[in-house]
Parts: sequence; C-alpha cells; structure tokens
Amino acid sequence: QVQLVESGGGVVQPGGSLRLSCAASGFTFTDSGMHWVRQIPGKGLEWLAFMTSARKSPYYADSVRGRFTISRDNSRNTLYLQLDSLRPEDTAIFYCARDRKWGFENWGQGTLVTVSS
Amino acid sequence: QGVVTQEPSVTVSPGGTVILTCGSITGAVTSGLFPCWVQQKPGQAPKTLIYDTNNRYSWTPARFSGSLLGDKAALTLSGAQPEDEAEYFCLLSYGTERRIFGGGTKLTVL
Repeated sequence: QVQLVESGGGVVQPGGSLRLSCAASGFTFTDSGMHWVRQIPGKGLEWLAFMTSARKSPYYADSVRGRFTISRDNSRNTLYLQLDSLRPEDTAIFYCARDRKWGFENWGQGTLVTVSS
Repeated sequence: QGVVTQEPSVTVSPGGTVILTCGSITGAVTSGLFPCWVQQKPGQAPKTLIYDTNNRYSWTPARFSGSLLGDKAALTLSGAQPEDEAEYFCLLSYGTERRIFGGGTKLTVL
C-alpha cells in the first residue's frame, strides 16, 4: 500500500534551518508529482510547494518562495523540503502529499517543526 | 478572508443531508480549477475524499459526492454518520503553480 513517511522535524531557533524528508513507498515514485503542505496546529491547511515527477521547475507559494526549497531524489524515492531563515510563524505540522490527476491522493502523517528560542 | 471561501461551521443531524460549498473570490469555481475535498479528523492527517470536482477514491464512502453548484464547488453528504464529524477543506488549483486551500468547514453531526 502507499506510504508516505515524513521526518526531520524538531525544534529550531529563529533564523535556523531544517531539512524535512518524505520517504515514499507502494507506488512508482518517479511517475508522481509531490507536494508539501503545512498546518499550524488548530488552523487550516496551507499549500507550500510542488515538484513534478520529472523534476522540472518547482512551484512555491508566495509565502515561502525564497526561503523553502523543494527537491527530490528519485533513486531514493524521497522528497525533501529545505527550510531556511525560519520564523516563529513557520511553526507547523508539515505534510507531504502525492499528486495524481490534480488531487492530493495520498498524505503522510506529518512532522512537527517548532521555531522557538 | 482568503481566496477560497468556505462556511466556517455547519451542523447536520444523523442521517441527514448537508451541502458544503467552496467559492473563489476571483470568480466562479469551474471544473478547470479541479476542486478537491479533503477531510481531517482531530489528531489525524488529512485524507482526500473527492478530486477533480466529482471523483471519489476507493476509500471514499458513497454518501459523499462532489459537484458544481451555481458558481461554487459543493460537497454533498447524504445520510450523515457520527464518524463524518470532521473538518472539510476545499482545494482549488489555479494552475500548477498555485494551489489554494479554503479555510475549512467544521462539520458537526448532532
């Protein structure tokens, strides 16, 4: 079955960096576009970034463009999100999701990032 | 108010029917925005129920259906069950480069 497992979250100081990973299994990773979405605890969902299966141009929400970088390693079936210049308002649960026919077909369980001094 | 609009909260009686809507401040919601509906229960990861306006996944109960209603996307729940109590998010795709979630509708089954 399809599995998406995020990791790499934790506590980081303002201005710091983290790299999140999303390990994919149960489907042909190289055929799927992938997204990152975040959710401030108790709040709504915010789409952050998308990368196509072919690793063409990444796409970003305005709120994170220039600070977050999406990438993927198709040989490892892994999606990444590099978080730089982190701010307290970036504190959230970060989810990866598989794109299929314009839908977010599968979601991971999420990894919590806390930005605090 | 965000770009994608949803009712903040809706209540339905068990066994009843309810329609949640999803609008766009930029204009009418059409199939070209590929509306999706995402369910999230407390403490759980999101789960997508409907994609591309009206398509269910294998795990989507048949009591959920998606459609366009007037100038909005709609999620209809026919025969609400207690386990359907959750938050429902609409997602619109304004092109590959811009996906926007609505603020969510908290559905209470009471």
